[in-house]
Amino acid sequence: GQNIDQPTEMTATEGAIVQINCTYQTSGFNGLFWYQQHAGEAPTFLSYNVLDGLEEKGRFSSFLSRSKGYSYLLLKELQMKDSASYLCAVRDSNNAGNMLTFGGGTRLMVKP
Amino acid sequence: GAVVSQHPSRVICKSGTSVKIECRSLDFQATTMFWYRQFPKQSLMLMATSNEGSKATYEQGVEKDKFLINHASLTLSTLTVTSAHPEDSSFYICSASLLLAGGYEQYFGPGTRLTVT
Repeated sequence: GQNIDQPTEMTATEGAIVQINCTYQTSGFNGLFWYQQHAGEAPTFLSYNVLDGLEEKGRFSSFLSRSKGYSYLLLKELQMKDSASYLCAVRDSNNAGNMLTFGGGTRLMVKP
Repeated sequence: GAVVSQHPSRVICKSGTSVKIECRSLDFQATTMFWYRQFPKQSLMLMATSNEGSKATYEQGVEKDKFLINHASLTLSTLTVTSAHPEDSSFYICSASLLLAGGYEQYFGPGTRLTVT
């Protein structure tokens, strides 16, 4: 099975940069996803990493190191609307049906 | 982009009754759909993997006789919570797999909030 760890809560200031870390252990790594979820809503896709390195998409970037079992999501120029939960999810090639396993999520609070 | 819908978005039912939740892929066919449950301030917990035309695969600890899943077509999967109890109150989210150039991606429905009184 997988073991996915990420901080439970983080607080940051509007306009700042925040990095949310995720570590994982899996037997057949086949991709890591980051999702954003606002309270009471379904998750929305942010990024996907399967190779080592940084993927940049506007204010959001995601980094992966497969050898370290480590990823981070970087949010720049924080806005109040970025207050949400951020979910790290790992796909394991040993799992049937392309199943994702989610970490516990990181609740980010952006303050003025 | 790929759109997944769920119906109803909210439902309140009495203890002991059954509730059916529908998950539809609106503009693509999904051979595999997933059902998740999410309690307040917790992450998504996979309940079962639903494959079109075959029996669902349930995760450990999820009662298949209580949470009935039917994936009758490539665009529709249903989850029926039978004999619901207050502890079944939760946010139920489905997702559907779509094969893209880079591999399978999952698209989530908007979720169904179930309250059992």
